[in-house]
Amino acid sequence: DTAVSQTPKYLVTQMGNDKSIKCEQNLGHDTMYWYKQDSKKFLKIMFSYNNKELIINETVPNRFSPKSPDKAHLNLHINSLELGDSAVYFCASSQGLSVTQYFGPGTRLLVL
Amino acid sequence: DQQVKQNSPSLSVQEGRISILNCDYTNSMFDYFLWYKKYPAEGPTFLISISSIKDKNEDGRFTVFLNKSAKHLSLHIVPSQPGDSAVYFCAATLNYGGSQGNLIFGKGTKLSVKP
Repeated sequence: DTAVSQTPKYLVTQMGNDKSIKCEQNLGHDTMYWYKQDSKKFLKIMFSYNNKELIINETVPNRFSPKSPDKAHLNLHINSLELGDSAVYFCASSQGLSVTQYFGPGTRLLVL
Repeated sequence: DQQVKQNSPSLSVQEGRISILNCDYTNSMFDYFLWYKKYPAEGPTFLISISSIKDKNEDGRFTVFLNKSAKHLSLHIVPSQPGDSAVYFCAATLNYGGSQGNLIFGKGTKLSVKP
């Protein structure tokens, strides 16, 4: 049973395209996150949703739009992809006030 | 501006010996610290954490030490096993209010445990 799953695992696309990455968690958690790990290996938070509401929105271009249809899902839509968007994107979840977050396997995005 | 620093990109240790991974932070407001372990092509997995009101937390072979005055924490693995070979990330957070959940990660230290 995968606790936090992401699809797709790999994504290769052209500059200018629009793409989505999906995340689902079956842990019953009420908070979900998106992180970006860039080429320098820094893992940085992008967004956080609690009960389908945005609670953290770091400095991220507005080409990135998270969407949470329900507590178990947090999808990431990216418009007009740029070369610099190439990275590994991780979804995570946690329950309530717990700071312990559980991560998905990552989506490796390559923009050509 | 790195608030959480792991200055050693890699560490190599013999099986059975102790592994010590270090982490420094600059924000004195951080009050909760975590260590994550990451295998290639997988997401980070939670290993152990420590609140700023403690100076030590132990879980089996893993012990985290916190020195608040030095803004330094370390992860000790004893004894080290080949399966411990992975990248270890240190993370810190402010465990209250709107900052909750905003984990600040270090760059990671790649641990290699040789048989």
